[in-house]
Amino acid sequence: DTGVSQNPRHKITKRGQNVTFRCDPISEHNRLYWYRQTLGQGPEFLTYFQNEAQLEKSRLLSDRFSAERPKGSFSTLEIQRTEQGDSAMYLCASSLDPGPGELFFGEGSRLTVL
Amino acid sequence: GQSLEQPSEVTAVEGAIVQINCTYQTSGFYGLSWYQQHDGGAPTFLSYNALDGLEETGRFSSFLSRSDSYGYLLLQELQMKDSASYFCASPGGQNFVFGPGTRLSVLP
Repeated sequence: DTGVSQNPRHKITKRGQNVTFRCDPISEHNRLYWYRQTLGQGPEFLTYFQNEAQLEKSRLLSDRFSAERPKGSFSTLEIQRTEQGDSAMYLCASSLDPGPGELFFGEGSRLTVL
Repeated sequence: GQSLEQPSEVTAVEGAIVQINCTYQTSGFYGLSWYQQHDGGAPTFLSYNALDGLEETGRFSSFLSRSDSYGYLLLQELQMKDSASYFCASPGGQNFVFGPGTRLSVLP
């Protein structure tokens, strides 16, 4: 399977702990996106990479969130000092630029903060 | 900035046709995409309109009118498996913004 891979698929943590999610995009894709989705809502944009450069970060994202894509391949999303409001599904997607407006999503990493 | 609006829910019966509308406000517009998401699953791409007009892909069609800042997804010959959430989305330069989603329920 050469789709977008995310891990861990599920993470349960206590409030105040740090968590890190990993995303492996489709290998030839140069764009990588992180989204957060809560039940009944659309994916909420968090940040975006073009190769290894982080080009945009949502103003909704607090400084507890940080993302990297060190070699333009896989990416990590870290949440420090987690809060209960961080509980959500974290989705990663990749695409090829220029492309037909299609994002390829991973299955997501579900975070539960107790 | 960008914002997209969709109806929250639509219900239809098997075999029917349903239209899901999307209106948008964007500072830069590069086209409109549509995604399907089943409960517990990841969003999957359905279609993309870069230009005005109708794009057809099997039972699904998507339409865009830039002058009206409006698009829709048309689903024909509805099947039970089409019960899912449908999102319009717009690649706005650097980011890719999604609408709130329309939950489609297909009844037997």
